[in-house]
Amino acid sequence: EADIYQTPRYLVIGTGKKITLECSQTMGHDKMYWYQQDPGMELHLIHYSYGVNSTEKGDLSSESTVSRIRTEHFPLTLESARPSHTSQYLCASGASGRYEQYFGPGTRLTVT
Amino acid sequence: QKEVEQDPGPLSVPEGAIVSLNCTYSNSAFQYFMWYRQYSRKGPELLMYTYSSGNKEDGRFTAQVDKSSKYISLFIRDSQPSDSATYLCAMDSSNTGKLIFGQGTTLQVKP
Repeated sequence: EADIYQTPRYLVIGTGKKITLECSQTMGHDKMYWYQQDPGMELHLIHYSYGVNSTEKGDLSSESTVSRIRTEHFPLTLESARPSHTSQYLCASGASGRYEQYFGPGTRLTVT
Repeated sequence: QKEVEQDPGPLSVPEGAIVSLNCTYSNSAFQYFMWYRQYSRKGPELLMYTYSSGNKEDGRFTAQVDKSSKYISLFIRDSQPSDSATYLCAMDSSNTGKLIFGQGTTLQVKP
């Protein structure tokens, strides 16, 4: 089983709050990704990183931001949460030159 | 139009049945084709991977890619209740890791 962790698993928070979703992996993978998944819908890539200090936006526009200061850590931040941000957020990682992506268990975010 | 189309199901079959899951796509640049399995409340896990056209077999699972028709399939033989999950197809054009996913097909295998 892949060693990629996400916290919290579930989060219910009020509108306007700042939140950070944590993602860590212990496999030393260079590549890391954030996906957004609504119920019954496809995963959409919102951010990715190919290494430390490298971050890019994905195909789906998102108001969130990410940082990659350490190889193993790729947190996602929402400065001011809104109900439209309610979704499941999945973090994944992969080794350079490899096609496999290993997913974390996800964070289910509800903004009230 | 979505780049990848997948029938969301749900699909319900009896134990032991052969299951066929399918995706169509519109981007002819896709070369890397994957199937992920996602159990409820879990993240997806890679099940099968195929590069370009052709077939690939792994135990009870067979993945097929037909690039001329822009169509990929996953076959599950002798389906088991433990196969009950959502199956997601995913594609990449140049192994960048920027995967395009289908909507997922929910499969239920009844004992």
